[in-house]
Amino acid sequence: QVQLQESGPGLVKPSQTLSLTCTVSGGSISSGDYYWSWIRQPPGKGLEWIGYIYRSGSSFYNPALKSRIIISIDTSKNQFSLKLSSVTAADTALYYCARRDGQQLVHDYWGQGTLVTVSS
Amino acid sequence: DIQMTQSPSSLSASVGDRVTITCRASQSISTYLNWFQQKPGKAPKLLIFAASSLQSGVSSRFSGSGSGTDFTLTISSLQPEDLATYYCQQSYSTPLTFGQGTRLEIK
Repeated sequence: QVQLQESGPGLVKPSQTLSLTCTVSGGSISSGDYYWSWIRQPPGKGLEWIGYIYRSGSSFYNPALKSRIIISIDTSKNQFSLKLSSVTAADTALYYCARRDGQQLVHDYWGQGTLVTVSS
Repeated sequence: DIQMTQSPSSLSASVGDRVTITCRASQSISTYLNWFQQKPGKAPKLLIFAASSLQSGVSSRFSGSGSGTDFTLTISSLQPEDLATYYCQQSYSTPLTFGQGTRLEIK
């Protein structure tokens, strides 16, 4: 059973960089046809796809956030990471990591989510 | 970007009722449409993929239909544990986009 777990600071100051890591267990991040995604949800609001990365390192970002995002993958640690720069209060959200099946094109496994608050 | 619009935004129904939620895409997405259920305080859970395929382990009370721009999620007989917000998502093209959600309450 694949499991994903987000980790990182719960509080980030405005203009700084938000950094999160997703650790994958129960399967290798470097095998299979899967994309590794970040998705966020502001408190009380809907879901927004941030971007995903393939095991090869190829990444795809939401154009709305593209200038501020870097998603990277570390196959040796079975982890992938998100960096979001120049954060504002609008980036306060529950951040989820998820696995996207490259065949069925669905996010079939999700982490529990981690709340990141942007505040001074 | 492909815009996804769900209706209604919220609804209240009784146990045993048949419930239908609709999702409309701003352009044709064939059957590249998924449905998620999000219970309070939990991560979204995949219910239906490719418009009508039931995810393994999901109750057969849930079904999906549609193609092109119009899609439907149906719960055949509402149960108390179905209290949740339901989201559609298109997987036709990036950026992947979600509907705004339908909040389902139990009367």
